[in-house]
Amino acid sequence: DAGVIQSPRHEVTEMGQEVTLRCKPISGHNSLFWYRQTMMRGLELLIYFNNNVPIDDSGMPEDRFSAKMPNASFSTLKIQPSEPRDSAVYFCASSFLDRAYEQYFGPGTRLTVT
Amino acid sequence: GNSVTQMEGPVTLSEEAFLTINCTYTATGYPSLFWYVQYPGEGLQLLLKATKADDKGSNKGFEATYRKETTSFHLEKGSVQVSDSAVYFCALSDGARYNKLIFGAGTRLAVHP
Repeated sequence: DAGVIQSPRHEVTEMGQEVTLRCKPISGHNSLFWYRQTMMRGLELLIYFNNNVPIDDSGMPEDRFSAKMPNASFSTLKIQPSEPRDSAVYFCASSFLDRAYEQYFGPGTRLTVT
Repeated sequence: GNSVTQMEGPVTLSEEAFLTINCTYTATGYPSLFWYVQYPGEGLQLLLKATKADDKGSNKGFEATYRKETTSFHLEKGSVQVSDSAVYFCALSDGARYNKLIFGAGTRLAVHP
């Protein structure tokens, strides 16, 4: 089985541009998580979904960030407009709802905003 | 609130040395505890877990025992290999927010031949 798929793997963009990160969770998993990892702040949970419904978005840094999960096999994280401080590695992870401690992480998207 | 504290890295060891990475936690109730590992250029993956006091989680030669009296879950390995070089994250799940893991800051391990 394929693992969690994220695209793109690398994204370089200029400040002010819109950025969309994509995630395909493992088939059958019904929880999905978006994380951000930086040297300064470590690993931060941004938002998570259960059965495609956002449960907790308290980690989303500000209104420039938004996430959607239109169906069980696809989610997006959008940053508009992007800023240099958004530069980080963004991870998507998925799990079964009743085994949410066992999260399967994707390879991440390395975002650089210049 | 719930939190996890790990020893700061990097931890640098020679191959076949004994490894300990300290982890302590603060939580209400009875959390489950986990170690995740992140190899270079990859996402995190679950290494081992313990769901109640005195449980010992183990995998790939790594072990950690859930100590409620000291609120600790230290990671150990008797003989590390170069391939163990990675960042190790301690985490807890408190059950109340049942599908939210709280991660520590991570500890980088570098093993030299």
